[in-house]
Amino acid sequence: DAGVTQSPTHLIKTRGQQVTLRCSPKSGHDTVSWYQQALGQGPQFIFQYYEEEERQRGNFPDRFSGHQFPNYSSELNVNALLLGDSALYLCASSSSGQLHTGELFFGEGSRLTVL
Amino acid sequence: AQSVTQLGSHVSVSEGALVLLRCNYSSSVPPYLFWYVQYPNQGLQLLLKYTTGATLVKGINGFEAEFKKSETSFHLTKPSAHMSDAAEYFCAVSLPYNFNKFYFGSGTKLNVKP
Repeated sequence: DAGVTQSPTHLIKTRGQQVTLRCSPKSGHDTVSWYQQALGQGPQFIFQYYEEEERQRGNFPDRFSGHQFPNYSSELNVNALLLGDSALYLCASSSSGQLHTGELFFGEGSRLTVL
Repeated sequence: AQSVTQLGSHVSVSEGALVLLRCNYSSSVPPYLFWYVQYPNQGLQLLLKYTTGATLVKGINGFEAEFKKSETSFHLTKPSAHMSDAAEYFCAVSLPYNFNKFYFGSGTKLNVKP
């Protein structure tokens, strides 16, 4: 049973560029959430996708956007990159409704470095 | 608003000693509580969780935590530290009506000395 998979694992961009990160949820999960983990900090909630729609959003600017596909996989896009966007981006998946067991299952993350 | 405070960004113990990592939370309603572990350059792995029921919960690798509502705490313990326990530990909360959104503490790095 494959867990949450993310790609790419590492990438380097320059300021002003755009980046797309990808996530495949754990088998049987239909909800995907994205978190940003800056160096030395805990993960911060970016947004959550369910039924191909953004259901809720954290305190992140509109430069951060996402998408969920019919197969439940998801993308995180960040436009006009800033140095402060350098972080580990974590994807987490879960089941909706009564199937939810409480916890989130995390991928190993995509480490973005902005120069 | 929900928040999580982890006291001590770095904790160092000797191998075989008790591990105690502290977590306090602020929540408007009884939350769900979690401890995750993160090894270098890896994602988060669930250690244990409290949702309902028994307030003392046991997790993987010999860890356990007790939910104390009166103290708004969910401290993580392990009777005897092992070298392989060296990692960063994150406490997190979610709300029963919004359980997909987690609020994380800033983490505690555990160092285990031989």
